[in-house]
Amino acid sequence: NAGVTQTPKFRVLKTGQSMTLLCAQDMNHEYMYWYRQDPGMGLRLIHYSVGEGTTAKGEVPDGYNVSRLKKQNFLLGLESAAPSQTSVYFCASSSGTSDNNEQFFGPGTRLTVL
Amino acid sequence: KQEVTQIPAALSVPEGENLVLNCSFTDSAIYNLQWFRQDPGKGLTSLLLIQSSQREQTSGRLNASLDKSSGRSTLYIAASQPGDSATYLCAVGRNVLRTGANNLFFGTGTRLTVIP
Repeated sequence: NAGVTQTPKFRVLKTGQSMTLLCAQDMNHEYMYWYRQDPGMGLRLIHYSVGEGTTAKGEVPDGYNVSRLKKQNFLLGLESAAPSQTSVYFCASSSGTSDNNEQFFGPGTRLTVL
Repeated sequence: KQEVTQIPAALSVPEGENLVLNCSFTDSAIYNLQWFRQDPGKGLTSLLLIQSSQREQTSGRLNASLDKSSGRSTLYIAASQPGDSATYLCAVGRNVLRTGANNLFFGTGTRLTVIP
């Protein structure tokens, strides 16, 4: 099993450009999450999904959109990138609602917005 | 809002030493608590998960404790090795009612260096 994979690994954008980050998991997990990690700050939740076709806002959702058209994929979109969105983006997934279900993380996407 | 603090921010120890990493949180109504390891430029690897009803979890040389009433967790690493050098992150889970989602709130981590 590959676990959680993220595409691309690195990307440089110019202000105003758009892009989509892809997260895929092969563990048949219901729950998927997008976080961003910035220097000096803990990871912060952007959006999450509790199943195929569902999405919900996390702590820092502004400027991002998400979609979960297939259970195994969770897409994070930036419609008009801003320098403040320069960050490392992590996707995670978990299997269920029990409090012993840990989250598994992907390797991250490093995004720079110029 | 849940605030998670990790002290110290960085720690250097000689190989073989036992050490403790600290995590504190402001809201005791937690769902669970996870400790992760992050190597430079890499993703997060889950080390231990403590459910809200538990007091501690152990895996090999690692032991994590949880005291919800005081808002504290510790990660104890026994007989440290150079391969333990990494950043250790503490994350507190909050259950989102009616959805089952477990939203994690992270500390900023402790960067550990184990000197051979």
